[in-house]
Amino acid sequence: SQTIHQWPATLVQPVGSPLSLECTVEGTSNPNLYWYRQAAGRGLQLLFYSVGIGQISSEVPQNLSASRPQDRQFILSSKKLLLSDSGFYLCAWRELRFLGLGEKLFFGSGTQLSVL
Amino acid sequence: QQPVQSPQAVILREGEDAVINCSSSKALYSVHWYRQKHGEAPVFLMILLKGGEQKGHDKISASFNEKKQQSSLYLTASQLSYSGTYFCGTEDAGGTSYGKLTFGQGTILTVHP
Repeated sequence: SQTIHQWPATLVQPVGSPLSLECTVEGTSNPNLYWYRQAAGRGLQLLFYSVGIGQISSEVPQNLSASRPQDRQFILSSKKLLLSDSGFYLCAWRELRFLGLGEKLFFGSGTQLSVL
Repeated sequence: QQPVQSPQAVILREGEDAVINCSSSKALYSVHWYRQKHGEAPVFLMILLKGGEQKGHDKISASFNEKKQQSSLYLTASQLSYSGTYFCGTEDAGGTSYGKLTFGQGTILTVHP
């Protein structure tokens, strides 16, 4: 069965420090991968998505970047964190059928990031 | 552009019913519903595909009117475990969305004993 691993669960970082969040998927191949962010009490905002190794699309301009070095690995990074980067970060994956439309979105357990 | 959910918040007593609506300005292929408990990842409830179908399991069901680009989630005989924030996620029609889901702002549902 497919599983998604995301770590760490919580992270407290000072302003200006770097960030690296990792997500890996097991039990599937060539999944579409997504990074969402949720500010406190707010909805889910799509940050990045990837349809394959090395292919990254950004949905919103920001202080963050994403990479996909392997088929089932998705990394969210920042060189210098801002206070506004605080939030709950969720990695997700999805299998796609024809026409790029597909099944449900599977979420990782999330990382609560606090930038102080 | 994100779909619009209404109401923003609902307070119920156990056993009461609720309806949460989701409306989009775009043509949709599917609508997804998720429930999220505080500090946890969203949990999948159901997908509704283009075709106007209605789905459900147990006492939670949903409908999708593709012509109006609207979906509604129906919770009947609510239980304490139904408390949480409900999100609809929409997938654009046309096959170029790359599987992206755009989520509404959420509806906070609170069920009291």
